[in-house]
Amino acid sequence: TQLLEQSPQFLSIQEGENLTVYCNSSSVFSSLQWYRQEPGEGPVLLVTVVTGGEVKKLKRLTFQFGDARKDSSLHITAAQPGDTGLYLCAGGSSNTGKLIFGQGTTLQVKP
Amino acid sequence: DAGITQSPRYKITETGRQVTLMCHQTWSHSYMFWYRQDLGHGLRLIYYSAAADITDKGEVPDGYVVSRSKTENFPLTLESATRSQTSVYFCASSPDRVYGYTFGSGTRLTVV
Repeated sequence: TQLLEQSPQFLSIQEGENLTVYCNSSSVFSSLQWYRQEPGEGPVLLVTVVTGGEVKKLKRLTFQFGDARKDSSLHITAAQPGDTGLYLCAGGSSNTGKLIFGQGTTLQVKP
Repeated sequence: DAGITQSPRYKITETGRQVTLMCHQTWSHSYMFWYRQDLGHGLRLIYYSAAADITDKGEVPDGYVVSRSKTENFPLTLESATRSQTSVYFCASSPDRVYGYTFGSGTRLTVV
């Protein structure tokens, strides 16, 4: 059974601080995706990474896929209150198209 | 409207009743999925479909039935609802095996 472990589970920081969320597994994934979810809504895709060692930037967010395609990280620079939400990583299988989700990281950014 | 829509948004049902959650997408995406989201368990896959008339079990399929006679629809049926099926249910679709999913807004189901 493929498992994805996210850390930390909860993060409460002040506006302007930097943070990193980690997503780790013992399994190799064909792709790794990050989603953000707000209360009462479905997850929204932020990024997909497919190549080992790949780094993608989305404004203040930097996503990295591990060289062995077993882990990923999300780094947010100068966090803002609008970044508050649940961040989910998900590992994909190219054979089935299924995604396995991590438990999520709840981020609170205080003004 | 283009997108993926779930209905109803909220549902309260009694133990033992059959209930169907609807999911409709307008993109003709091949892949569709049903997840449930519970505190402490994250998102868990119930069933998925790679195309019309092709469905397969996910991580937690017991007590659920799906069908996909048309590409755009993927209903989820709880045959005899139990309290443990109280959850938020999300439907998602994807055009292929690599790109990310687009999720619906969810159905909050309470079984009393």
